[in-house]
Amino acid sequence: QVQLVQSGSELKKPGASVKVSCKASGYTFTSNAMNWVRQAPGQGLEWMGWINTKAGDTVYAQGFTGQFVISVDTSVNTAFLQIYSLKTEDTAVYYCAREGLFEEFDYWGQGTLVTVSS
Amino acid sequence: YELTQPPSVSVSPGQTATITCSGEALPKQYASWYQQKPGQAPVLVIYKDTERPSGIPERFSGSSSGTTVTLTISGVQAVDEADYYCQTRDSSAPWVFGGGTKVTVL
Repeated sequence: QVQLVQSGSELKKPGASVKVSCKASGYTFTSNAMNWVRQAPGQGLEWMGWINTKAGDTVYAQGFTGQFVISVDTSVNTAFLQIYSLKTEDTAVYYCAREGLFEEFDYWGQGTLVTVSS
Repeated sequence: YELTQPPSVSVSPGQTATITCSGEALPKQYASWYQQKPGQAPVLVIYKDTERPSGIPERFSGSSSGTTVTLTISGVQAVDEADYYCQTRDSSAPWVFGGGTKVTVL
């Protein structure tokens, strides 16, 4: 069965970096694009960006360029979200979500809480 | 680009909950709906405007008319209490979510 398993919670200081992983299993990793979605505390879902897992090209939402980098390592069926120069307002749960055949997000990781605090 | 949802919907058990989502791109793009319970990841409940993934109860249905898509939960149960989000493609984003609707079962 399809599973997306994300890395564990992180506590970081402002200015630091963090790399969140999303390991896929149960399907051919390069057959589906992967997306990342942010959810700040008490807020809604916010699409961050997309990666073509086969070719590696990426698209980012406005407001998520520069500080956020999405990548994949196809040898280990894993997608990554790296966040640089963390700010307190980056505190959120970050989800990876697989893109299905009809542009839906059919499977989601369990989420990774990133807390930024001094 | 925005998708507009009502912030909250309240419904008694066994009644029908209707959640709307409005946006200018909806006549040209498919919409999906997600259910999210507290502390959990979102779950896909409707895709391609009206299709239900396997494992999703039949009481969940979707419809589309012009610039509005609708999620209907028939015979609402207590377990359906959750936040619901619509989503569609957007030429600039290229994905966008609605603001979410909290469904409360009275």
